[in-house]
Amino acid sequence: DSGVTQTPKHLITATGQRVTLRCSPRSGDLSVYWYQQSLDQGLQFLIQYYNGEERAKGNILERFSAQQFPDLHSELNLSSLELGDSALYFCASSAARGGTGANVLTFGAGSRLTVL
Amino acid sequence: AQTVTQSQPEMSVQEAETVTLSCTYDTSENNYYLFWYKQPPSRQMILVIRQEAYKQQNATENRFSVNFQKAAKSFSLKISDSQLGDTAMYFCAFRPNSGGSNYKLTFGKGTLLTVNP
Repeated sequence: DSGVTQTPKHLITATGQRVTLRCSPRSGDLSVYWYQQSLDQGLQFLIQYYNGEERAKGNILERFSAQQFPDLHSELNLSSLELGDSALYFCASSAARGGTGANVLTFGAGSRLTVL
Repeated sequence: AQTVTQSQPEMSVQEAETVTLSCTYDTSENNYYLFWYKQPPSRQMILVIRQEAYKQQNATENRFSVNFQKAAKSFSLKISDSQLGDTAMYFCAFRPNSGGSNYKLTFGKGTLLTVNP
């Protein structure tokens, strides 16, 4: 157990629908990162939050949004789903600024999304 | 922008033997971190080893070691005494040490390693 909790583990939905993926970071970690892993694109960085604020944005579609709440858990919202959104979505967390722990991302087990 | 290249999509090795996975990267940064993550069939991403670019000494973690060649921008992973449990996808990753709180990783496409009995 990495300490990063993601729910749900598996999700099957239809095109056009909306889903929410949830992530609880390791205790004490302030940063949360979302990655998408698909067969053709590999691991793609989506977005990062640090202590509730957006810090970096990657290849995140406009149909996707995320936020980090005061208790530091994060949610990734995917709307108007398309077949191509089927992927494994990872959340990772890292420690507060400074210190060697800040350099390492710890990943959750992922949420597998299947869009039919 | 940084790029990470893993030129070996698949590799195989016999149990107890040694295997080396290759990784090259491109960056204009001088200070950065490099990582190897493994992803076994369970799909969990697990940190294997990391290297700070300002350290000349190659990192070692038990059976795992790296050959870091900063000038060549090369970062290979050597697995000694390979075990069946080492079967996994291995990802090389890069992160610039630009300060602040952004520790976003850029990953390579991965190398699928199969350890045969």
